[in-house]
Amino acid sequence: AQSVTQLGSHVSVSEGALVLLRCNYSSSVPPYLFWYVQYPNQGLQLLLKYTSAATLVKGINGFEAEFKKSETSFHLTKPSAHMSDAAEYFCAVSEGAGNNRKLIWGLGTSLAVNP
Amino acid sequence: EAQVTQNPRYLITVTGKKLTVTCSQNMNHEYMSWYRQDPGLGLRQIYYSMNVEVTDKGDVPEGYKVSRKEKRNFPLILESPSPNQTSLYFCASSAGHHFSYSNQPQHFGDGTRLSIL
Repeated sequence: AQSVTQLGSHVSVSEGALVLLRCNYSSSVPPYLFWYVQYPNQGLQLLLKYTSAATLVKGINGFEAEFKKSETSFHLTKPSAHMSDAAEYFCAVSEGAGNNRKLIWGLGTSLAVNP
Repeated sequence: EAQVTQNPRYLITVTGKKLTVTCSQNMNHEYMSWYRQDPGLGLRQIYYSMNVEVTDKGDVPEGYKVSRKEKRNFPLILESPSPNQTSLYFCASSAGHHFSYSNQPQHFGDGTRLSIL
């Protein structure tokens, strides 16, 4: 069955440190991949999207993600964490064919940024 | 401003008392969806709609109803709420036609926190 795994439900980094949030997926066809961010008391916002163009995707707020087909991964990174990055991050995969295409969500990773 | 608006944002009610959570989008999107978010379970889709008068069950539809009489509105109805429906609910919409909606970014409302006693 198709699935999305976000390794680590909670990640804590220091301000200024590298942020790495992991996402692995299982898919039998080329997927579309998304990262969303959810700030406290808000809905989800799109951070970035992979749609089979460049494998390194740049998003908003300095985040980027690299699609690695051999590793079935789409990890999210940011070189230097800021306090305002503290939020919940969700990886999602759109896969399937025609009207069977479906969006599969990871369970989310809560990012804490320490001063 | 492009947005998805949910109302109410917060609601405390009692078991069995019918309630409706409204959702409206101003982006002329065809696709709309309802999710519930629970700790440790992530986002789970309740119902979705690909266009007016076209709705279908998501992964957890039991106990919920929806309707899509107009393109912009997609209300979520709990006919007889129960405590296990206490959750944070999100409405979302996206562009795209029938076969491509799940390739498009989804726009989310700010959520409705429901507590059913």
